[in-house]
Amino acid sequence: DVKVTQSSRYLVKRTGEKVFLECVQDMDHENMFWYRQDPGLGLRLIYFSYDVKMKEKGDIPEGYSVSREKKERFSLILESASTNQTSMYLCASSLWTDRVYGYTFGSGTRLTVV
Amino acid sequence: KNEVEQSPQNLTAQEGEFITINCSYSVGISALHWLQQHPGGGIVSLFMLSSGKKKHGRLIATINIQEKHSSLHITASHPRDSAVYICAVSGREGNQFYFGTGTSLTVIP
Repeated sequence: DVKVTQSSRYLVKRTGEKVFLECVQDMDHENMFWYRQDPGLGLRLIYFSYDVKMKEKGDIPEGYSVSREKKERFSLILESASTNQTSMYLCASSLWTDRVYGYTFGSGTRLTVV
Repeated sequence: KNEVEQSPQNLTAQEGEFITINCSYSVGISALHWLQQHPGGGIVSLFMLSSGKKKHGRLIATINIQEKHSSLHITASHPRDSAVYICAVSGREGNQFYFGTGTSLTVIP
């Protein structure tokens, strides 16, 4: 079974902390994505990466950065966490960039910034 | 801007009821997708459609390209169908795709 694993299911951090959300996939997929999901707003793309060390901004990159040093791992970094970054964060990977079918999502990390 | 609109936002049904969730979109698409997200957070893909109708067990998805509208139907609903259902569309341009805000379905025994 293909797997996308997010390191934490629940995380509570303080305002101003540096936060790392880790995502690992075992499918040798080129493409990896970070989304946040908020009530009434649905899934919004933060960053995606189509190759090692490559990254592109999604719709809402402000306040976030990413790192892809190895093909299987895509990290989302909150340099200085703020309360408006409290959200559910979902990682996904895929063979393609334009088809949701064929994506595999992680289980999500619910981040609370206090 | 909401390229994908879903309705209703929340839905409660009695077990056994026939359920319909609607999705309208405003962009040109290569395909439309229905996703299911269970309370734990994980998302699975149910259907990918570019025309017509698809059926998988008690789930039926239809799309009308001219009207830019899709429906997801659940027949003989069951409490285990309780989840958030998300409509998403793949745009015609490369890696563009858009998500609806989701419909939270609760099926009561």
